[in-house]
Amino acid sequence: DTAVSQTPKYLVTQMGNDKSIKCEQNLGHDTMYWYKQDSKKFLKIMFSYNNKELIINETVPNRFSPKSPDKAHLNLHINSLELGDSAVYFCASSRGQGPDTQYFGPGTRLTVL
Amino acid sequence: AQKVTQAQTEISVVEKEDVTLDCVYETRDTTYYLFWYKQPPSGELVFLIRRNSFDEQNEISGRYSWNFQKSTSSFNFTITASQVVDSAVYFCALSEATGGGNKLTFGTGTQLKVEL
Repeated sequence: DTAVSQTPKYLVTQMGNDKSIKCEQNLGHDTMYWYKQDSKKFLKIMFSYNNKELIINETVPNRFSPKSPDKAHLNLHINSLELGDSAVYFCASSRGQGPDTQYFGPGTRLTVL
Repeated sequence: AQKVTQAQTEISVVEKEDVTLDCVYETRDTTYYLFWYKQPPSGELVFLIRRNSFDEQNEISGRYSWNFQKSTSSFNFTITASQVVDSAVYFCALSEATGGGNKLTFGTGTQLKVEL
């Protein structure tokens, strides 16, 4: 069974569109994250949720809105997509909001044309 | 602010060679955690090791070993007798225990290429 899963794996869309990426974890973890990996492979945290509560919001444009319907899911909705949003987006989860190991999903490659 | 530096952008070795990937970190916290992740060509991020700042013992796991030295703020990773399957980007990361919300700060990664 996949521990952290993301859908879709690939997403190609036009500028200006709105899109969502879904993430689910079956590890029973309380904390989930979104990271962005740019074209140079640099990884940076975007958001963190603990038990559906926003913990970290790292200077991300408000076009990005995370939503956590329950502690096993953390979705990322992006409005008015821009060329610079093209990247690989990784979801991760950890047991708690302390410095526990984060386990990553397979990533979603978003391409904005 | 916390920072992780991986000065080696790319390393190429021949199979069976040993290779060390360097990681230097900066933090003001006395309690922190260090991690290594592997990103193979398939793209996923694979957890390798987690080490807290109070445990300076070196660790060995098969062909992998890690050398943590607080005096030089380094957490280096050595692969012994490298294999082609070790080809990947390796990331070192840091998490502070206080106020960080478990935010992982990653280095820029080291691309390791192991050739026959």
